[in-house]
Amino acid sequence: GNSVTQMEGPVTLSEEAFLTINCTYTATGYPSLFWYVQYPGEGLQLLLKATKADDKGSNKGFEATYRKETTSFHLEKGSVQVSDSAVYFCALTGGSYIPTFGRGTSLIVHP
Amino acid sequence: GAVVSQHPSWVICKSGTSVKIECRSLDFQATTMFWYRQFPKQSLMLMATSNEGSKATYEQGVEKDKFLINHASLTLSTLTVTSAHPEDSSFYICSAGDGQGAGDTQYFGPGTRLTVL
Repeated sequence: GNSVTQMEGPVTLSEEAFLTINCTYTATGYPSLFWYVQYPGEGLQLLLKATKADDKGSNKGFEATYRKETTSFHLEKGSVQVSDSAVYFCALTGGSYIPTFGRGTSLIVHP
Repeated sequence: GAVVSQHPSWVICKSGTSVKIECRSLDFQATTMFWYRQFPKQSLMLMATSNEGSKATYEQGVEKDKFLINHASLTLSTLTVTSAHPEDSSFYICSAGDGQGAGDTQYFGPGTRLTVL
């Protein structure tokens, strides 16, 4: 079946540092890949997505590239802000219509 | 983008009572919605898949008689926690797909915080 593996958190950074959150997946066929963000006490919001190999999703300074050869979809941001502190979920849909989520990675950004 | 609402955003109830949570897709139709449960600092746990006009599909270990799901229309699914107990206290989240099929983007409701006293 499908699976998503994210790096363990929390990830703690200083403001303006470079961010990478690793995500790898296992899936049959050609899944669509997503990053969602969850701020404290809220539901999940779609951050970005990519629907085919080599696509790059981007939003709010975050980027992730769909790498089929390495089955990865790593999230990056060049300069994080305190307001980026949240939990980030990598996810995929494909094959089955039921979405598959990673366990989430908590990001803490200090001033 | 697509918007999903949940109501109520939080609820406190006494042990033994039932609580209904609504999930609505506001600007699109959703034949399928998903219900999740999230414990503090933990990932999402898929509880069930809600299908419009048919019975919900529950994940292994989820009591279907305790967590009643009704998907009465293309824009509304409800989750009723029956005879709630303190261990049912949690953050419940719903999502709905945008209808693209296997590559659906999921849009999430803001969640409902349930506290059972």
